[in-house]
Amino acid sequence: EVQLVESGGGLVQPGGSLRLSCAASEFTFSSYWMSWVRQAPGKGLEWVANINQDGSEKYYVDSVKGRFTISRDNAKNSLYLQMNSLRAEDTAVYYCARGGVGVWYFDLWGRGTLVTVSS
Amino acid sequence: QSALTQPASVSGSPGQSITISCTGTSSDVGSYNLVSWYQQRPGKAPKLMIYEGSKRPSGVSNRFSGSKSGNTASLTISGLQAEDEADYYCCSYAGSSTYVFGTGTKVTVL
Repeated sequence: EVQLVESGGGLVQPGGSLRLSCAASEFTFSSYWMSWVRQAPGKGLEWVANINQDGSEKYYVDSVKGRFTISRDNAKNSLYLQMNSLRAEDTAVYYCARGGVGVWYFDLWGRGTLVTVSS
Repeated sequence: QSALTQPASVSGSPGQSITISCTGTSSDVGSYNLVSWYQQRPGKAPKLMIYEGSKRPSGVSNRFSGSKSGNTASLTISGLQAEDEADYYCCSYAGSSTYVFGTGTKVTVL
């Protein structure tokens, strides 16, 4: 089955770090731009970051620049989001999504992983 | 990178048509025909309903249609059904490989 499965969420203190992972299956992962999208509790969707096929291009929403790093390992069909200096406002469900540039939409989504930043 | 503006809620009776607006700026919606629409049911991941302004992915009902005029994109649901009750989000390419989502609209079937 074509799918994306996120993992790595949890409770972290303000200022802490967390690394999210997204495992892709049943499609040619290395051919696609990939993205992270988040949704704070009871709020709307927010695009967070994306990365091109070979990892040489990375783009971020202003609010996470300098704190979050998107990366990928095509040999492992995996996407990652390293989150540092976490703030309460980063609390959200983080979705992995297929799409970015060239494919100008997000056509495949994971179920999400919840990140809670709280003391 | 301000969120696109959508009405908080839209409602309609079964069989009716409703339209959800999505207003951006000349830097996003107005500059590109790259608006997509997503349906999200409670506790679920978003689902792509419309891409590149008016195209429907395979498997999406032809009751869903998209359009754009200037800085405003629209999603129309015709022949409203109970199963259409969900949150809907627009999303636009905003240049420099970035995206911006709308504020979201809750659709209620009366």
